[in-house]
Amino acid sequence: DTVMTQSPDSLAVSLGERATINCKSSQSVFYSSNNKNYLAWYQQRPGQPPKLLIYWASTRDSGVPDRFSGSGSGTDFTLTISSLQPEDVAMYYCQQYYSPPYTFGQGTKLEI
Amino acid sequence: EVQLVESGGDLVQPGGSLRLSCAASGFTFSSYWMNWVRQVPGKGLEWVSRIGTDGSFTSDADSVKGRFTTSRDNAKNTLYLQMHSLRAEDTAVYYCARGYNWQDYWGQGTLVTVSS
Repeated sequence: DTVMTQSPDSLAVSLGERATINCKSSQSVFYSSNNKNYLAWYQQRPGQPPKLLIYWASTRDSGVPDRFSGSGSGTDFTLTISSLQPEDVAMYYCQQYYSPPYTFGQGTKLEI
Repeated sequence: EVQLVESGGDLVQPGGSLRLSCAASGFTFSSYWMNWVRQVPGKGLEWVSRIGTDGSFTSDADSVKGRFTTSRDNAKNTLYLQMHSLRAEDTAVYYCARGYNWQDYWGQGTLVTVSS
């Protein structure tokens, strides 16, 4: 199984500041035939189901604010929130969908 | 508006069985792969299973293989998770989620508690 490891486990950032969350996979999730990284990011606010933020490692889902961005390739990925807003307080998870089981990272708790 | 509504969660004894349902609306259900993902309260997410558009293909996590069966009824726009031989470690909120690769819509979840 592909193990997804996020860092840090928790992060405190001031309003308006940048937040950076890392995700490392134990195997590459890059598929050379289509030049895509099979990596998604989700946000989960307290008491809510996860919400898709980013897929293909860097494509924002419809309606996701542009302060959210994803980067990386192969085994190392980053989710960046450029200017933290109060509503961004949540857990964040990466997920690989390259091969089953479609494993998630352990999550990163983002606080203000 | 896409809606996914899970039901069927309950308190069940170890070794027991339970069937979860997920009613879909607001999209062409038969055109989408579907997934079950679970979350122990206060913990992380675990992908459980997925099923192809016509139900002929399924894939399961090793932790549930041979005990859980995912199926769908496209005429009823409903996804199912039949769970047998339940264990304490199956206690979780179970979400249904749409998508072949990433999961773009999620239900609110239904709680399954396995305890004597």
